[in-house]
Amino acid sequence: GNSVTQMEGPVTLSEEAFLTINCTYTATGYPSLFWYVQYPGEGLQLLLKATKADDKGSNKGFEATYRKETTSFHLEKGSVQVSDSAVYFCALSDQETSGSRLTFGEGTQLTVNP
Amino acid sequence: DAGVTQSPTHLIKTRGQQVTLRCSPKSGHDTVSWYQQALGQGPQFIFQYYEEEERQRGNFPDRFSGHQFPNYSSELNVNALLLGDSALYLCASSFYSLSYEQYFGPGTRLTVT
Repeated sequence: GNSVTQMEGPVTLSEEAFLTINCTYTATGYPSLFWYVQYPGEGLQLLLKATKADDKGSNKGFEATYRKETTSFHLEKGSVQVSDSAVYFCALSDQETSGSRLTFGEGTQLTVNP
Repeated sequence: DAGVTQSPTHLIKTRGQQVTLRCSPKSGHDTVSWYQQALGQGPQFIFQYYEEEERQRGNFPDRFSGHQFPNYSSELNVNALLLGDSALYLCASSFYSLSYEQYFGPGTRLTVT
């Protein structure tokens, strides 16, 4: 079946540091890939997406590139802010094998200190 | 433009009781999906409704059931509550034609004692 594996957290960084959160996936079809962010006490917000190999999703300074050869979709940001502190979830949707349901990773807690 | 709304925000129930959670989708969306998020975990897919029918279902027992109304809003019902049902229940809406791109509500926090 489909699965998503995220790097173990939590991650603690200083403001303006470079961020990488690793995500790898297993899927039998050709999935679409997503990063969602969850701020404390809130639901999930779609951060960025990529629907085919080599696509780069980007939003609010965050980027992730769909790498089919390494089955990865790592999240990066060049300079994090305190306001980026949240839980980040990598997810996939494999229309061919499991319809539009989202399969999520375990989440990575990011804390950014001033 | 209102986003996805859910009610209630919090709920406390006793083992064995039944609960109903409600969701109103984002304006224009016709598809509603429900997810369960246990503490410290990623969300798990429960089921998806479109045209008032359950279209997909995850690995959840029959105690979990749902309904979609003609105005696209939806309910999640859980019978015979167990302690393990304590979680954040998230509703997500989408267009059926783009149903992989889902927008989430703030969730309902259910505590079973």
